[in-house]
Amino acid sequence: KAGVTQTPRYLIKTRGQQVTLSCSPISGHRSVSWYQQTPGQGLQFLFEYFSETQRNKGNFPGRFSGRQFSNSRSEMNVSTLELGDSALYLCASSPGPLGGPGDEQFFGPGTRLTVL
Amino acid sequence: AQSVSQHNHHVILSEAASLELGCNYSYGGTVNLFWYVQYPGQHLQLLLKYFSGDPLVKGIKGFEAEFIKSKFSFNLRKPSVQWSDTAEYFCAVNGADNTDKLIFGTGTRLQVFP
Repeated sequence: KAGVTQTPRYLIKTRGQQVTLSCSPISGHRSVSWYQQTPGQGLQFLFEYFSETQRNKGNFPGRFSGRQFSNSRSEMNVSTLELGDSALYLCASSPGPLGGPGDEQFFGPGTRLTVL
Repeated sequence: AQSVSQHNHHVILSEAASLELGCNYSYGGTVNLFWYVQYPGQHLQLLLKYFSGDPLVKGIKGFEAEFIKSKFSFNLRKPSVQWSDTAEYFCAVNGADNTDKLIFGTGTRLQVFP
């Protein structure tokens, strides 16, 4: 079974631009979560989508948004990029929603975003 | 609000030494607990998890963790580490009520020297 894939793997943008990251979950997984990983803050939860609905959201500004499609693929969008948005963005999929018995998460390799 | 604390930020051991990484969480309800590992250049992968039942959980590669509810702890242990255990280890928790997010600790970097 193929793992979680994320595209692109690396991205360089400038302040003020917007960016869209993509995540394809493991086949059959319906939950997709997004995390931001930085050296200073560690891993921080952005949001979770399950069956095309956002179930949970972390403490990030409204510039961070996402969506999930009917095939469970998910995209994350960040508008008006700031220097502090430079991070590794990780996507994780699980068969069931977070908090339930099937919520073991499988992580993708991440997208390394650099904002100049 | 949920939070997870990993008090050891950087641990350095020699091969064959015993390992214990601390993890404490704050949450009022029933929790699911996880330890993830990130080897150099690789992505996060699950080491072990606790949902219910026996509080002593065994994971991959000889790791185990013990859930002590009264101490809100879920410490990771391994009796004898190997050089290949060099990695970053993350403790994570979520509430077992279908509404909560997965909260990670800040991670512990383990270096094992031969």
